[in-house]
Amino acid sequence: NAGVMQNPRHLVRRRGQEARLRCSPMKGHSHVYWYRQLPEEGLKFMVYLQKENIIDESGMPKERFSAEFPKEGPSILRIQQVVRGDSAAYFCASSPAGKVGIYEQYFGPGTRLTVT
Amino acid sequence: GNSVTQMEGPVTLSEEAFLTINCTYTATGYPSLFWYVQYPGEGLQLLLKATKADDKGSNKGFEATYRKETTSFHLEKGSVQVSDSAVYFCALSDRGAAGNKLTFGGGTRVLVKP
Repeated sequence: NAGVMQNPRHLVRRRGQEARLRCSPMKGHSHVYWYRQLPEEGLKFMVYLQKENIIDESGMPKERFSAEFPKEGPSILRIQQVVRGDSAAYFCASSPAGKVGIYEQYFGPGTRLTVT
Repeated sequence: GNSVTQMEGPVTLSEEAFLTINCTYTATGYPSLFWYVQYPGEGLQLLLKATKADDKGSNKGFEATYRKETTSFHLEKGSVQVSDSAVYFCALSDRGAAGNKLTFGGGTRVLVKP
């Protein structure tokens, strides 16, 4: 059973470009979470999605950031008009549907975004 | 809101030394508690967890006990190895209706020297 897949592993963008980060959850998992890790800091929750639905986006910046998890295909985190402050590691996690508060999250290897 | 505070690193130890990483939390509800480990250049791996008061999570020689009275979940290992060098994150999950999002502490870097 393959783990959570993220690609690309490393992404370099110039200021003003768009960044698209992809996450394929573990087989059988229908819940996806995105977290951001700034240099030398802990992870911060960004958004929680189920198939075709955004459940909680309380950690997403109000502008330039969006996320989706379509019926088919991976979850996408999109950052428009990137700025240097967006440079960070972005981690995706997935979990199975089930009783809230009991199941674990499994993390992908992350995408390290560098904005030049 | 929820928050997790853990001791700052780096923590430098010799092999076979005793390791303790303190973690305290603030939560409005009754959270589950986790320790994750991050090796250089990799993602997070779940190390252990506890879902209710007085539960003890354990894995690979690491242990942590869910202490509701002190709102703590300290990580311990009796004899560390060089391979334990990593960053350790304490986290809690909010069992609210919106899902199981994790709130992390800032991480503690541990360096074990031979």
